Amino acid sequence: DQQVKQNSPSLSVQEGRISILNCDYTNSMFDYFLWYKKYPAEGPTFLISISSIKDKNEDGRFTVFLNKSAKHLSLHIVPSQPGDSAVYFCAAKEGGSQGNLIFGKGTKLSVKP
Amino acid sequence: ETGVTQTPRHLVMGMTNKKSLKCEQHLGHNAMYWYKQSAKKPLELMFVYNFKEQTENNSVPSRFSPECPNSSHLFLHLHTLQPEDSALYLCASSQAGRLYNEKLFFGSGTQLSVL
Repeated sequence: DQQVKQNSPSLSVQEGRISILNCDYTNSMFDYFLWYKKYPAEGPTFLISISSIKDKNEDGRFTVFLNKSAKHLSLHIVPSQPGDSAVYFCAAKEGGSQGNLIFGKGTKLSVKP
Repeated sequence: ETGVTQTPRHLVMGMTNKKSLKCEQHLGHNAMYWYKQSAKKPLELMFVYNFKEQTENNSVPSRFSPECPNSSHLFLHLHTLQPEDSALYLCASSQAGRLYNEKLFFGSGTQLSVL
């Protein structure tokens, strides 16, 4: 059974508007969460992360929100740009150096000019 | 050189062939990983090496055989694969051992097709 779920396989947004990508998890032991971005023919690249001691982390146009009680996190991109069009993967891990990242299936974001 | 380099980028092989995927990282990391990405599935962790020692084998069939001769190089040896093994194989590295810092750096992947 999937421990990290991205239930929307795709999302289409107009340039300049907000993109919201969602991720749910089932393992209450997860305490570190990351978002990766992947362009076609390239490997995923790290975008932003958040630890469970926080509920928000911001980096420029990208903000990740964590709701531990709901086991839900979201990535907000404001304003969205055509160059943000990519597949976004949510990932989570348990605390400590031994935990490995568990990835979701990804959400394909298309930002239209 | 980019951080994590994978060769070849594309590979087509028959079910009786033997081939190897190569990965090299230039980031000074001490952990390396093989992931498999199949269509419409999450990235699946296959193998993990920490300080050249295999610490994870995620129930991967024996037709996939990893090798890590040093902390900069990682191989995945393939033999008698099945068509369902066709996928994108991604190598990654990280600076393992530090809490909350398990950011992975991925290569561009090898797109494998098994005929």
